[in-house]
Amino acid sequence: DTGVSQNPRHKITKRGQNVTFRCDPISEHNRLYWYRQTLGQGPEFLTYFQNEAQLEKSRLLSDRFSAERPKGSFSTLEIQRTEQGDSAMYLCASSLVWAKGLFFGQGTRLTVV
Amino acid sequence: GDSVTQMEGPVTLSEEAFLTINCTYTATGYPSLFWYVQYPGEGLQLLLKATKADDKGSNKGFEATYRKETTSFHLEKGSVQVSDSAVYFCALSETGNQFYFGTGTSLTVIP
Repeated sequence: DTGVSQNPRHKITKRGQNVTFRCDPISEHNRLYWYRQTLGQGPEFLTYFQNEAQLEKSRLLSDRFSAERPKGSFSTLEIQRTEQGDSAMYLCASSLVWAKGLFFGQGTRLTVV
Repeated sequence: GDSVTQMEGPVTLSEEAFLTINCTYTATGYPSLFWYVQYPGEGLQLLLKATKADDKGSNKGFEATYRKETTSFHLEKGSVQVSDSAVYFCALSETGNQFYFGTGTSLTVIP
């Protein structure tokens, strides 16, 4: 069990640029989640995949945000035309049996300048 | 909709003091409840969980009991240590499609 892996760990980008983050879940986990966390707040739900199907999407996820999980393994989260308000920690989590809880990665910290 | 409310922090305690962090929830059905901990510079880790009313979750000396009548899941520890300094998040999920987190409570334990 190597845990949930997220890359990159840090990303600084200029406003208006596109960014893409990658998440590799624990290998047997079919459920994958993306969350966003800002300073002093709890994680906010963005989207959920079961295998390759995107089953839930938050209203927070504007049309600038898109996520994929093409083969039911790793996932990518893309933000287009970044804004300063997108600066946050982006967290990925995975699970096999959801009632046993989520396993989180270390997160990708995005700074938009 | 579903939500979680945690007591505001920060909380500062002396070593060996008793800890309570309050958590109440709102849900339409029968959620599973969780406590997560985030140590400085680390990711969120599951601390304990409970899946039905009156269940008690426990781990590392921490405990929380699922109280349906008061819609609460308060976190307790009898004797805190400096190493317990972290941010604690209460969370719930009804279907596994979404987990709802509280805003977190920062705990600092001083020697």
